[in-house]
Amino acid sequence: GDSVTQMEGPVTLSEEAFLTINCTYTATGYPSLFWYVQYPGEGLQLLLKATKADDKGSNKGFEATYRKETTSFHLEKGSVQVSDSAVYFCARGDGGGSYIPTFGRGTSLIVHP
Amino acid sequence: GAVVSQHPSWVICKSGTSVKIECRSLDFQATTMFWYRQFPKQSLMLMATSNEGSKATYEQGVEKDKFLINHASLTLSTLTVTSAHPEDSSFYICSVLGQGAPGPYEQYFGPGTRLTVT
Repeated sequence: GDSVTQMEGPVTLSEEAFLTINCTYTATGYPSLFWYVQYPGEGLQLLLKATKADDKGSNKGFEATYRKETTSFHLEKGSVQVSDSAVYFCARGDGGGSYIPTFGRGTSLIVHP
Repeated sequence: GAVVSQHPSWVICKSGTSVKIECRSLDFQATTMFWYRQFPKQSLMLMATSNEGSKATYEQGVEKDKFLINHASLTLSTLTVTSAHPEDSSFYICSVLGQGAPGPYEQYFGPGTRLTVT
């Protein structure tokens, strides 16, 4: 079935390092793609999204580009901060406009000062 | 984004008792809410879709008689875990379907409720 695969964590970085969290998806059609962030003890927040191929979602210094040819939506940030420590979830909504996303397993990011 | 609250934020109960978790949409009326369950270090599992004024739609494998969902108003949905057992211990998160332009709609998540059954 359709799924979302994320790199396993935890990802541990020093402050100001470059971040990449890989995400690939399988789906029929043209799904919308999302990144959600979950800070410790909190619910999920939408970080960014892209609705069609080659779209780039961006927010708070994070970026992800919808790559149809590689079925990927990797999350990147040029310089991470300690406050970015959280769990990041890649998600897919199906091409039919479904509003119920399928989530990846989440990748924990730990940023040290 | 929209504000969604959950109450309580954490609860400890004894095995065999029932626990009610509330999810409130504070910014707008929500005809559709979702209930998720999250196990430690795992992704979210959609349990059910809650529709105002009608019966909830449960995902395959979720016991509807155990996880009672009531969406009595446009701003409140409740999840009641009946006859709770230790294996029901989990983090329960609700979300509200956002309004606005046609698809893809955004979901706005509550802060979650940590349930521990002893």
